[in-house]
Formats: sequence, structure tokens, C-alpha cells
Amino acid sequence: QQPVQSPQAVILREGEDAVINCSSSKALYSVHWYRQKHGEAPVFLMILLKGGEQKGHEKISASFNEKKQQSSLYLTASQLSYSGTYFCGTEIYNQGGKLIFGQGTELSVKP
Amino acid sequence: DTEVTQTPKHLVMGMTNKKSLKCEQHMGHRAMYWYKQKAKKPPELMFVYSYEKLSINESVPSRFSPECPNSSLLNLHLHALQPEDSALYLCASSQVFRDEQFFGPGTRLTVL
Repeated sequence: QQPVQSPQAVILREGEDAVINCSSSKALYSVHWYRQKHGEAPVFLMILLKGGEQKGHEKISASFNEKKQQSSLYLTASQLSYSGTYFCGTEIYNQGGKLIFGQGTELSVKP
Repeated sequence: DTEVTQTPKHLVMGMTNKKSLKCEQHMGHRAMYWYKQKAKKPPELMFVYSYEKLSINESVPSRFSPECPNSSLLNLHLHALQPEDSALYLCASSQVFRDEQFFGPGTRLTVL
């Protein structure tokens, strides 16, 4: 039931764009995105709900394809501060609301 | 106050010890969570409290015992832990259950 993230790791130069994908085999109610820097707590980025509602930071964009149970996080004009591990958390429909996190995508932004 | 605090930051305990982890938030959130995170792995949900009632227990062994004395405080009581329980224990809170979660810095636990 754990969602699958891709890629596992990505290296960018400052200013480049990246897309991180999250895919589930189960029908989803919502997808959450968090970023965790080394030695720090995860930080909320975005929630995408079934039905199209979204909530998150202004500079972050993401999509949720309910038919395919897939979500993508779009990082544009990357900055050094974007480095970290990105986790998607999926809430499977009718499973009580718990979040199951994917294995993470490690993003490194180089100057 | 927009943060979740956790104490202690580090904890080393033997397998026969009893210890407790503490988590506090003053954002008026009514849902609180415990997660376990191993190195280079995602957080794994352990418990969820919603309006001070335990709403999710992810089949966690009884050597972990959660407690929510009030809406601002969450404890995790530890007893007779095993070395494989060594991990980062993260607390989180949200306005209500299923909303965006705010994570604390975690307690790094080592069981000898």
C-alpha cells in the first residue's frame, strides 16, 4: 500500500526545474507532500484532495490525477534551499485517514 | 506560537528502563500524531489522537504506550524496548485530523 515515488534521487543546478511523481495502487482520498532536510523535521508543502481542492505554499505547485491515483510535485527555478528529501503521503480512500508515506525522493540543488 | 516542541532531543536507554517522550503544541490543534522514522526511510505512523481520544493505533507493540493528557500535550511511554526500536520519534499536530501536519524536531532514541 506504500506509494511509489520517482525518481529516487535527482541532482539539479540552481534555476533548473524538476518533477517528482507519486503513484498508488489504491484509490486515494488525498495526497500530501512534505520536505525533510537532513537532521530536521518534515515540513508541509501541499495537500491535494479528491475533487480538486488544494492547499499549500504559494510557490509550490502540484497535480493530482484521481483516475490514475498519481500526483506530481513541480519544482521550478530551483534554489539551493529546495535541497532535501521529498515525501508524498497518501490517504487511501475509506481507510480511516492515516497517511502512508512513499520512500522519498532525494533532491540536491547545486550552485 | 507556531511550533511543536519535543523533549528530550536525545535519549539512550537500556532494555529494562522506563522512559517517556513528551510533545507539546500551543496552536490549538486537536489532532496529534506519533511517527517512527528509521534512517533514510519515511516516517511510519504509530498513533493518532483526535480531540484527545486515541483514534488510530497502527498495531504498535504494547511496549509503546501513548497518552494525551490534554489537547496540547502528547506523551509516549516506553518500557522494555528492543534495540530495533532505536529510531527518530516524531510528533506532529494538525488543526483537525487529516489536515496539514506540523512536525516537531523529533527525539532520537537509542536502545542499548
